[in-house]
Amino acid sequence: AQSVTQPDIHITVSEGASLELRCNYSYGATPYLFWYVQSPGQGLQLLLKYFSGDTLVQGIKGFEAEFKRSQSSFNLRKPSVHWSDAAEYFCAVGGRGNEKLTFGTGTRLTIIP
Amino acid sequence: DTEVTQTPKHLVMGMTNKKSLKCEQHMGHRAMYWYKQKAKKPPELMFVYSYEKLSINESVPSRFSPECPNSSLLNLHLHALQPEDSALYLCASSQPGTVSGNTIYFGEGSWLTVV
Repeated sequence: AQSVTQPDIHITVSEGASLELRCNYSYGATPYLFWYVQSPGQGLQLLLKYFSGDTLVQGIKGFEAEFKRSQSSFNLRKPSVHWSDAAEYFCAVGGRGNEKLTFGTGTRLTIIP
Repeated sequence: DTEVTQTPKHLVMGMTNKKSLKCEQHMGHRAMYWYKQKAKKPPELMFVYSYEKLSINESVPSRFSPECPNSSLLNLHLHALQPEDSALYLCASSQPGTVSGNTIYFGEGSWLTVV
């Protein structure tokens, strides 16, 4: 069975501060990992993905994520957040030939001035 | 801007109505999806079409009926819905059989309210 755990339901950070959102996964084969962002009332936008190769992946909007197989983690980071980053963030896991993407429960990010 | 477009953005329907949600993707993908998302929850998979054939039905009630007229269009027909079916319905697409085939791209969603 595949699963994703996002341990932080809600995170508040100051504008300009660094950010790390945690994601742990369980998957029986080589995982494909994704981070999506959802602004209020909007659909999901793909931030970045990991399939293989370099374990540090760069995404859009200045985000990056690091795959750590030994820790079954795929944490999302940003060095300096902007007010527009306030949103819900979902981590997801899938696999090669697997049409089912399993999502975590999401982390809501609030930015304070 | 998303290349998966959904209409309508908002829909209010009564429990005896018949309505449809529509989705079109402009990326040449051959897999399309319907997800349902309740407030403050992650998306839940409903249906998957792969090469215009239904490949996954996640035990969705028959009051939801998907249709894939061609490789770029996906409909969700709604009939005799319940108030608990009110949610954001997300369409998505991907390209199977490629290295990045599991990358799923979402539309902006259709907000459905059942009264």
